[in-house]
Amino acid sequence: DAGVIQSPRHEVTEMGQEVTLRCKPISGHNSLFWYRQTMMRGLELLIYFNNNVPIDDSGMPEDRFSAKMPNASFSTLKIQPSEPRDSAVYFCASSLVPSGVTDTQYFGPGTRLTVL
Amino acid sequence: GENVEQHPSTLSVQEGDSAVIKCTYSDSASNYFPWYKQELGKGPQLIIDIRSNVGEKKDQRIAVTLNKTAKHFSLHITETQPEDSAVYFCAPCFSGGYNKLIFGAGTRLAVHP
Repeated sequence: DAGVIQSPRHEVTEMGQEVTLRCKPISGHNSLFWYRQTMMRGLELLIYFNNNVPIDDSGMPEDRFSAKMPNASFSTLKIQPSEPRDSAVYFCASSLVPSGVTDTQYFGPGTRLTVL
Repeated sequence: GENVEQHPSTLSVQEGDSAVIKCTYSDSASNYFPWYKQELGKGPQLIIDIRSNVGEKKDQRIAVTLNKTAKHFSLHITETQPEDSAVYFCAPCFSGGYNKLIFGAGTRLAVHP
């Protein structure tokens, strides 16, 4: 298996621009997570999807952030408009979660976002 | 809310020594306790996990011990090697619903040859 695939790996943009990050989870997984990692705040969960439905978006910082999962093999995280404080590494992770059981989350390589 | 503390924040050892990292958590109903390793430029990867019905689990040079009463679990690495150098995160599962992991702040381990 190729693992979780994220694109782009690096993104540099200017303040005010729209940024779209992409994720392809491991085939067969039913759960998808978006995380943000910064030195100040560590690893933070932004949003969780189960069977393509957003279950917990309490970690989404503000309305400038939105996430979609149109099908089981693709998800996007969009920031519009972007701000310098959004600079971070964004990770996507996927998992196969039988009902009532917690299991391993597999992380992608991340997208390093720099907003100038 | 959920609270996870990890100690120490940095750890430096000589090759061949042992390393121990401790994680304390606040959610007494947590039932899943993983440790992740993050190498430079990569995403975190699971290295070992334990469930609440077990007190200890070992996988070659890595072991995890759990004390549910005291609400802490520890990662033990024996015979450390330079390739063990990385950032290690504990991530106890929050019991309030789904597969939600609460990550600690991380421990940067440096193994010197």
